[in-house]
Amino acid sequence: EAGVTQSPTHLIKTRGQQATLRCSPISGHTSVYWYQQALGLGLQFLLWYDEGEERNRGNFPPRFSGRQFPNYSSELNVNALELEDSALYLCASSEGTIREKLFFGSGTQLSVL
Amino acid sequence: KQEVTQIPAALSVPEGENLVLNCSFTDSAIYNLQWFRQDPGKGLTSLLLIQSSQREQTSGRLNASLDKSSGRSTLYIAASQPGDSATYLCAVVNTNAGKSTFGDGTTLTVKP
Repeated sequence: EAGVTQSPTHLIKTRGQQATLRCSPISGHTSVYWYQQALGLGLQFLLWYDEGEERNRGNFPPRFSGRQFPNYSSELNVNALELEDSALYLCASSEGTIREKLFFGSGTQLSVL
Repeated sequence: KQEVTQIPAALSVPEGENLVLNCSFTDSAIYNLQWFRQDPGKGLTSLLLIQSSQREQTSGRLNASLDKSSGRSTLYIAASQPGDSATYLCAVVNTNAGKSTFGDGTTLTVKP
């Protein structure tokens, strides 16, 4: 069974550009979570999608947005990139409720120059 | 606001030693607590999930306990091996938050 897959593995952008990160959950999982892990900082919760709806959002500015598609895959968009957006972005999926085990992908390393 | 603390931040032990990693949280109204392992630059691998009604979970050489009333969890690793070297994170899911809150992790080094 395939795990959570994220693409691209690495992404290099310049300040002010937009970045799009993609995540495919484990088959049968309806919830997708996005986390940011900046160097030297812990995992910070970004967004939670379930059944195509945004269920919760972390303390990030509106230029961080996303969506979940009918096949439960998800996309994270970061507009007007800033240097401090450089981080490992991790996607996780679960079977649909927050009580379930989280499974993480390998992440997208975003570098903003 | 839930706060999760992991002590120690780093730990170095010789191979074969048994060890305990600690996780504490401030809000005991949780659904569950999950322990993860993260290798450098990689994603997280789930190790154990303890539901709020459970006291412990075991998988191989790993045993995790949960004391919700005191806001504490421990991860016990028996007979440590160099391959256990990684950062270990705990995460709690609150009943009213709809998200997991992570600790900063304990970086474990097991020396051959």
